[in-house]
Amino acid sequence: KNEVEQSPQNLTAQEGEFITINCSYSVGISALHWLQQHPGGGIVSLFMLSSGKKKHGRLIATINIQEKHSSLHITASHPRDSAVYICAVRSDSNYQLIWGAGTKLIIKP
Amino acid sequence: DAMVIQNPRYQVTQFGKPVTLSCSQTLNHNVMYWYQQKSSQAPKLLFHYYDKDFNNEADTPDNFQSRRPNTSFCFLDIRSPGLGDAAMYLCATSRGSGRAHEQFFGPGTRLTVL
Repeated sequence: KNEVEQSPQNLTAQEGEFITINCSYSVGISALHWLQQHPGGGIVSLFMLSSGKKKHGRLIATINIQEKHSSLHITASHPRDSAVYICAVRSDSNYQLIWGAGTKLIIKP
Repeated sequence: DAMVIQNPRYQVTQFGKPVTLSCSQTLNHNVMYWYQQKSSQAPKLLFHYYDKDFNNEADTPDNFQSRRPNTSFCFLDIRSPGLGDAAMYLCATSRGSGRAHEQFFGPGTRLTVL
């Protein structure tokens, strides 16, 4: 079993829909990252969380430390949100990043 | 704007011909990382520098070397690229390597080996 599991693996939705991507982890962490990668592109850091909730524009990230679970929400989704969204956790033992497999999101106009 | 810059964005080399990828940062961060990302896979950490301290991952092939001449620049040298080294190479920086330090990524260099 992977230490970081994301669901769904693939998600296709219509423009305007509310999107939720989930991340569960099984290790002790000091922080959790949500990152975005467009096809053939580099990685952009969206959020780093260690508790609670963060919001940036149409993006909201939440984390429940007790349940070892985080969600990334996109409100009023747009085709330009189409990308791979990656959850990565920072291990609290060696501070390295442990990566999820990513969720490929396609937003259709 | 402060950022992590990678040059070139696309690099084509021949099998066995040495190649150098470049990363620079204006964030004045202490730590610089090199990751290798193959198609549809998560990035794999190759090594990182904490200031001038070099930290190699155990499974990083000897073919991969790195140099950090100053705080701002870090280079990835691939001595004899093989077809299996074709990948996206990502540079990242962070202020420290401790608990709460976010990593900032560059746009990546896509390496093709012919």
